[in-house]
Amino acid sequence: DVKVTQSSRYLVKRTGEKVFLECVQDMDHENMFWYRQDPGLGLRLIYFSYDVKMKEKGDIPEGYSVSREKKERFSLILESASTNQTSMYLCASSPGLGGYTFGSGTRLTVV
Amino acid sequence: KNEVEQSPQNLTAQEGEFITINCSYSVGISALHWLQQHPGGGIVSLFMLSSGKKKHGRLIATINIQEKHSSLHITASHPRDSAVYICAVYQGAQKLVFGQGTRLTINP
Repeated sequence: DVKVTQSSRYLVKRTGEKVFLECVQDMDHENMFWYRQDPGLGLRLIYFSYDVKMKEKGDIPEGYSVSREKKERFSLILESASTNQTSMYLCASSPGLGGYTFGSGTRLTVV
Repeated sequence: KNEVEQSPQNLTAQEGEFITINCSYSVGISALHWLQQHPGGGIVSLFMLSSGKKKHGRLIATINIQEKHSSLHITASHPRDSAVYICAVYQGAQKLVFGQGTRLTINP
């Protein structure tokens, strides 16, 4: 089974901190995604990557950046965390053709 | 209006009941996913389908491409089926569009 592993289930950070959320997949998928999920808004795409060192903005990239130095790892970076970035963050990977595998999610609280 | 609409938003039923969750979409798609999210957050892909019907255990998913509509059915529902069920449509170019989710609660 494909596994998508997110490094933390729960995270509490202070306003202004730089925050790294890590995601690792073990099935050599080309495509990786970061979503955030908020009540009433569903899942929204922040960034995705279709190859090493490649990235594309999703629907809500403001306040975030990403890094993909190796195929298996896709990092989401909050340069200066703010309270409105308190959310559930979900990573996913896909080999293409629409098949997706999601991670367990990281619930981030910014205080 | 959202591109993907699910109904109902919340559903409470008794154990053993037959459950139906509906998904309508307004865009052209390559495939449709049904996802399950348990408390705690992790999302599991239940089905990906682009036509017809798929069955896995007590779960059945159908799609009507002409009517832009899909349904997820659960037969002989059980409290462990309690979760949020999310419909997502794949438009190609790695773009998934998600519905708002249906919160299902099955009471013993």
